[in-house]
Amino acid sequence: RKEVEQDPGPFNVPEGATVAFNCTYSNSASQSFFWYRQDCRKEPKLLMSVYSSGNEDGRFTAQLNRASQYISLLIRDSKLSDSATYLCVVDTGRRALTFGSGTRLQVQP
Amino acid sequence: DTEVTQTPKHLVMGMTNKKSLKCEQHMGHRAMYWYKQKAKKPPELMFVYSYEKLSINESVPSRFSPECPNSSLLNLHLHALQPEDSALYLCASSQESSPLHFGNGTRLTVT
Repeated sequence: RKEVEQDPGPFNVPEGATVAFNCTYSNSASQSFFWYRQDCRKEPKLLMSVYSSGNEDGRFTAQLNRASQYISLLIRDSKLSDSATYLCVVDTGRRALTFGSGTRLQVQP
Repeated sequence: DTEVTQTPKHLVMGMTNKKSLKCEQHMGHRAMYWYKQKAKKPPELMFVYSYEKLSINESVPSRFSPECPNSSLLNLHLHALQPEDSALYLCASSQESSPLHFGNGTRLTVT
């Protein structure tokens, strides 16, 4: 089993839609969780950290389910500019962060 | 704008060349990383330096040689690379348990 797994997509959604991505991780001792966004041929940029109680930043909501070992990202009211690859990042107990394979989102007009 | 600076942005090198990638950060982060990213794949961890000491080497071939001269600088020395080493090389820094801050990357082509 991979340390961090994501559905690669692509997710093709219309503007204004709500879309959710999940990411599962294998190490039950993982403590740090993040969502990054990566545009084509650019570096990954931090979108948001994921906290145990769940957290929201504008249209974006992140949640952590420790029992089932997954994190999720919900995007409401999708914009064209949300089109990107969304990478789930988890610490895997070796003081280094591991990336999921990424989920491609394409928001269409 | 990125607070982690990588140079050069693009590099083309032959298989017999020796070159170096450079990375600099002034955020006081004590961990620095090299990642390699191929097209349509996620970044793959290569090396981690923690407090200027190499703490993780993900079984990277010896033709890649990292160096951390001080807490702000990280280099990756390249020698006798193969065409399949062509990729985007990303440097990142962080504090413990904090998110990674990435540089813009060096796009490397080995001919």
